[in-house]
Amino acid sequence: DAGVIQSPRHEVTEMGQEVTLRCKPISGHDYLFWYRQTMMRGLELLIYFNNNVPIDDSGMPEDRFSAKMPNASFSTLKIQPSEPRDSAVYFCASSWGGGGNNEQFFGPGTRLTVL
Amino acid sequence: ELKVEQNPLFLSMQEGKNYTIYCNYSTTSDRLYWYRQDPGKSLESLFVLLSNGAVKQEGRLMASLDTKARLSTLHITAAVHDLSATYFCAVGDTGTASKLTFGTGTRLQVTL
Repeated sequence: DAGVIQSPRHEVTEMGQEVTLRCKPISGHDYLFWYRQTMMRGLELLIYFNNNVPIDDSGMPEDRFSAKMPNASFSTLKIQPSEPRDSAVYFCASSWGGGGNNEQFFGPGTRLTVL
Repeated sequence: ELKVEQNPLFLSMQEGKNYTIYCNYSTTSDRLYWYRQDPGKSLESLFVLLSNGAVKQEGRLMASLDTKARLSTLHITAAVHDLSATYFCAVGDTGTASKLTFGTGTRLQVTL
């Protein structure tokens, strides 16, 4: 199993630009989570999906952030327009709700720098 | 709102010593997870604890869960340098078990 795949691994962009982060969950997993990690705020849950449907987006910081999951094997997190304070590592994680333990498996992350 | 606290936030220990990291949480839950993160890397699952009194061990690490006290511990036995990392506990939300709330993390540094 390839694990959770994220792309790009690093992204450097200028303020005001649109940024799209991508995630492929582990095959068969029905939950997908987007997290953001910074030194100041730690690990924050932004949004999560169940069976491609957004369940809780209360962690999305602003309307500039949006996430989609068009199918079971792909999700995107978009920031438009980006700001320097969005600089962080963004992790995608997936889990299987039917197994009983709901263990989440994390992707390698995307390190975003907004100049 | 579920709150998860870890202590200490930073731990420097010598090789060969024992120590315990504590994870307290504010509301009822019977799902607790421990993760490890190396600098610049992702989070790696270490333990999944699903019931009161659960104990799991892997090498020099042992995790336990006391749901009545809302407390989990991660015990390190005879630390080695390779254990240097940040350790996170995460608690499952009873309303939506798949959602996790993470602690602040404990940065462990094992010195030679």
